[in-house]
Amino acid sequence: DTGVSQDPRHKITKRGQNVTFRCDPISEHNRLYWYRQTLGQGPEFLTYFQNEAQLEKSRLLSDRFSAERPKGSFSTLEIQRTEQGDSAMYLCASTRQGGTEAFFGQGTRLTVV
Amino acid sequence: GQQLNQSPQSMFIQEGEDVSMNCTSSSIFNTWLWYKQDPGEGPVLLIALYKAGELTSNGRLTAQFGITRKDSFLNISASIPSDVGIYFCAGQSGGSNYKLTFGKGTLLTVNP
Repeated sequence: DTGVSQDPRHKITKRGQNVTFRCDPISEHNRLYWYRQTLGQGPEFLTYFQNEAQLEKSRLLSDRFSAERPKGSFSTLEIQRTEQGDSAMYLCASTRQGGTEAFFGQGTRLTVV
Repeated sequence: GQQLNQSPQSMFIQEGEDVSMNCTSSSIFNTWLWYKQDPGEGPVLLIALYKAGELTSNGRLTAQFGITRKDSFLNISASIPSDVGIYFCAGQSGGSNYKLTFGKGTLLTVNP
């Protein structure tokens, strides 16, 4: 199956530590999105890439967050100096060029203790 | 910003019953999508709607894109236990980024 893949599935970290998540989109999809989902809420848009270019960032993405997609394939999302409020499910999605049907990965559940 | 109001918040039904849930927005959307999410998993796309008034089916699921472009509904017929989960509506309002705005979800419980 060549769906969207995210790693790790779960991450527990101490407050103040840095964490990095990885997303591998569907291979022929050139658009990649990061969303964050907290308990009882729907996913909220964080940022998106078209190929290797990061074209939009949400106000939710504070300076401690950085995302990259260096070769237009996989993407990483790094959170520096984690805070308890960062605890959430981080979801990655991809779409083909011009497509609106977003396919999501299984997510990375982050718990900051 | 844009908000989607999804209702009901939760539903408890008996196996075999039909279910209806809806989503409304204060803004117009060009595309409506319906997703299902199981605990600890990512959302799975169920149905995509592209035109106002469009009615689309996927097995026991039927969804419609409201004529005003500000609402959508999802029906599930003859529910089964594996229909349990959280159903999300999502709208895409146009522009080049195709980012989605999600509702808060409807939690469906099916009693066998």
